[in-house]
Amino acid sequence: QVQLQESGPGLVRPSETLSLTCTVSGGSISNYYWSWIRQSPGKGLEWIGYIYYIGSTTHNPSLKSRVTISVDTSKNQFSLKLSSATAADTAVYYCAREVGHSHYYGMDVWGQGTTVTVSS
Amino acid sequence: DIQMTQSPSSLSVSVGDRVTITCRASQSISSYLNWYQQKPGKAPKLLIYGASSLQSGVPSRFSGSGSGTDFTLTISSLQPDDFATYYCQQSYTTPRTFGQGTKLEIK
Repeated sequence: QVQLQESGPGLVRPSETLSLTCTVSGGSISNYYWSWIRQSPGKGLEWIGYIYYIGSTTHNPSLKSRVTISVDTSKNQFSLKLSSATAADTAVYYCAREVGHSHYYGMDVWGQGTTVTVSS
Repeated sequence: DIQMTQSPSSLSVSVGDRVTITCRASQSISSYLNWYQQKPGKAPKLLIYGASSLQSGVPSRFSGSGSGTDFTLTISSLQPDDFATYYCQQSYTTPRTFGQGTKLEIK
């Protein structure tokens, strides 16, 4: 079955860019939306944004213009970049697949999550 | 953004209990409501989509209902594996938003 695996640095310096990659295995990245979600004790689960496999993206306006999500279909990967990181970006970051049943969408496959700490 | 509010925030329950968790949206979301279960150190798991449709592989003791702004997740007879935190999430629009969670604790 489809599995997702996040990868990237666990420590990011303040003001630098947080970069994570999600590798999709056991299935194709095509025909789905691929999401990034984060979870911190103070803010619960927060949806960062998603990308459709052809490259169109939507992100959470709360993160302003700091978010870039991209996809590499040749590698079956999608990525997150969050610029100007601050301590408030410290969280567990998850990637997930959003799938539609009729017209109802839910995130049915998740990565295990990766902890990112923003600190000097 | 659509705000999702769950109640209660925590619940002390026993194996075999019938459990009901409520989720309210700040505006109508039709039936675009999902429920997730999360255990410590693990990713959330999709239980219910479209307010009442059971995700494949999820036990039938879980059920969801509601539409518009008010929704419920019911566990008909709580099993030991069900002690976890439950989240609702709307998929009506972006940004997707989650409730703050309801933690089921052993009484």
